[in-house]
Amino acid sequence: DAGVIQSPRHEVTEMGQEVTLRCKPISGHNSLFWYRQTMMRGLELLIYFNNNVPIDDSGMPEDRFSAKMPNASFSTLKIQPSEPRDSAVYFCASSLSVQPQHFGDGTRLSIL
Amino acid sequence: KQEVTQIPAALSVPEGENLVLNCSFTDSAIYNLQWFRQDPGKGLTSLLLIQSSQREQTSGRLNASLDKSSGRSTLYIAASQPGDSATYLCAVAPFTSGNNRKLIWGLGTSLAVNP
Repeated sequence: DAGVIQSPRHEVTEMGQEVTLRCKPISGHNSLFWYRQTMMRGLELLIYFNNNVPIDDSGMPEDRFSAKMPNASFSTLKIQPSEPRDSAVYFCASSLSVQPQHFGDGTRLSIL
Repeated sequence: KQEVTQIPAALSVPEGENLVLNCSFTDSAIYNLQWFRQDPGKGLTSLLLIQSSQREQTSGRLNASLDKSSGRSTLYIAASQPGDSATYLCAVAPFTSGNNRKLIWGLGTSLAVNP
């Protein structure tokens, strides 16, 4: 079975550029989560969707971050404009209801 | 505000040892508690999920316990192997109506099992 698929795996870009991260959840899962992981702060939930609707975006750091889920099989996390402090590993996860979340392998983002 | 703490931050043991990883949380009103494993450069993999009404869960050489009243959970790994080397994270789902999918995470325990 295909797991959660994230792209790109690595992204290096210059400050001020727009960054778009992509996620394909596991087919049949109805919840999708975007996380950010850093050494200092650990794993932080940015936003999660249930049935394609954003439920909790309280973790989105500021207006530079936005996330969409246009259908059940695709989601994007966009940062515009990007800043060096956005450098982190970004994970997407999906789940069926309150079952354990399944994680993708992450996107390692470096903002120069 | 729920906070999750994991001690120790890092642990190194010889192969074959039985070991215990600790997780503590500040608010006993939880929906469930979950243990995950993270290998370097990879995402997280769910190991065990304990519902708030349960005391423990077992999977192979892994056993997780939950004591809500004291705000503690332990992950017991029997007969550790080098392949168990990874970071182990604990996460709590707060008992919040309509929002029990938002997990609160510990920083993890980095485990090294030496041959």
